[in-house]
Amino acid sequence: DVVMTQSPLSLPVTLGQPASISCRSSQSLVYSDGDTYLNWFQQRPGQSPRRLIHKVSNRDSGVPDRFSGSGSGTDFTLKISRVEAEDVGVYYCMQGTHWPFTFGPGTKVDIK
Amino acid sequence: QVQLVQSGAEVKKPGASVRVSCKTSGYIFTDYDINWVRQATGQGLECMGWMNSDSGDTGFAQKFQGRVTMTRNTSISTAYMELSSLRSDDTAVYYCASPMFGYWGQGTLVTVSS
Repeated sequence: DVVMTQSPLSLPVTLGQPASISCRSSQSLVYSDGDTYLNWFQQRPGQSPRRLIHKVSNRDSGVPDRFSGSGSGTDFTLKISRVEAEDVGVYYCMQGTHWPFTFGPGTKVDIK
Repeated sequence: QVQLVQSGAEVKKPGASVRVSCKTSGYIFTDYDINWVRQATGQGLECMGWMNSDSGDTGFAQKFQGRVTMTRNTSISTAYMELSSLRSDDTAVYYCASPMFGYWGQGTLVTVSS
C-alpha cells in the first residue's frame, strides 16, 4: 500500500499568519491517464471531512482562495495564506491513484 | 445540491453484522463510485472499499476482504455497506463519500460492545 506521511503533525498558528503542511507519498501518484490524484481534506471538530483540493491544486467550490495546493510526483503541499479561526481542525492528504486509497495521518491545526 | 444521508447509529454485539445505508441526491447516482471510509474515535481516516454504482463492481481493502459487502439500489439512489463478524475494534464512525470524495455523508457511529 502507498504510505502517506505528513508534517508537521501539529501546527499551532497565529491568526492572520500563513501555514503550510507537507505531504509525501511512498511512490509516485501520477496515474496512467497523466493526472495526479492527490486530495486535501479538512475535518473540523465533530464534522465530516470536507474536500478542499483535488488533483493536487484544484480548489473545490466554496473553498476560500486562501487555501492552495501544489506539488508533483511524491511531494505535495497545502498552504493557507492567512489563517482564520474557522480553519481550526485536522487536515488530511489522500492519494486516489493506487488502490487501496490511503490517507496521511493528519495535521492538527489550532490557534496559538 | 449534492447530499449523502446515512442511516443512524448502531450498537452491535461482537460477532454480529451491521448494515449502513447512504441515500444520495443531487447527482446521477450511477455516474460515480461510492466510497466507504471509517474513522475510529480520535483516529485517522481509513478507506474500506468502493463500489461502482452502475455495475455494482466492488473493491475492498485487504483487511476487510471477506467481511464487507457493498450493494446498491439504483431505483432509490442508495448504497449499502455491510460489515460482518464485528469486533470491538470495528467501533468507529463510518462514512460514505461520492462523487470522487467531493461530498460525504454525516457519518454513522457503529459501536461494538458486549
